[in-house]
Amino acid sequence: ETGVTQSPTHLIKTRGQQVTLRCSSQSGHNTVSWYQQALGQGPQFIFQYYREEENGRGNFPPRFSGLQFPNYSSELNVNALELDDSALYLCASSLDRENYGYTFGSGTRLTVV
Amino acid sequence: GENVEQHPSTLSVQEGDSAVIKCTYSDSASNYFPWYKQELGKGPQLIIDIRSNVGEKKDQRIAVTLNKTAKHFSLHITETQPEDSAVYFCAASNENSGAGSYQLTFGKGTKLSVIP
Repeated sequence: ETGVTQSPTHLIKTRGQQVTLRCSSQSGHNTVSWYQQALGQGPQFIFQYYREEENGRGNFPPRFSGLQFPNYSSELNVNALELDDSALYLCASSLDRENYGYTFGSGTRLTVV
Repeated sequence: GENVEQHPSTLSVQEGDSAVIKCTYSDSASNYFPWYKQELGKGPQLIIDIRSNVGEKKDQRIAVTLNKTAKHFSLHITETQPEDSAVYFCAASNENSGAGSYQLTFGKGTKLSVIP
């Protein structure tokens, strides 16, 4: 049984560009949540996907968007990157939306210059 | 929305001593309180959790206590070992949020250093 895998592990983008981050959920998990973790801070909830539908969103602007695919893997897209978007982006999967047994991936470190 | 405060931000203990990390939450409807351990370069790992119908939970050297009236919960690590060194996060959520998402609100973290 594999855990949650995220790609890429690191990337550097220029302000104004767009980025796509990817997440493969743990086998059997149908719910994926995305969190942003700024340096020295706790993770902040971006949004959650349950069976390919967005199932709640945190206080992030619309330029943060996502997708969940039939195999429950997920993408996080960020348009018009800003310097403050530099952070560790964490994906977490769970058995279903009512189960808090979150398994986090190791994250994607995004640097915006 | 929910707000979680966590203290202290850093904590150094001698190997074998106990460590205590405290969190307070603001939303009385919150009923699920997990603790995560994050090592350098890794994602958070769930180490223990507690629901509001329970006042205390223990798993080997780790225990969590919850005071619903005061809206605070604590992590206790006994007989600390160097491998316990990491950043620890508390979080809170409401499992009965209806059709909404079951998001976790995290504290800012405590960097625990266990000195051999």
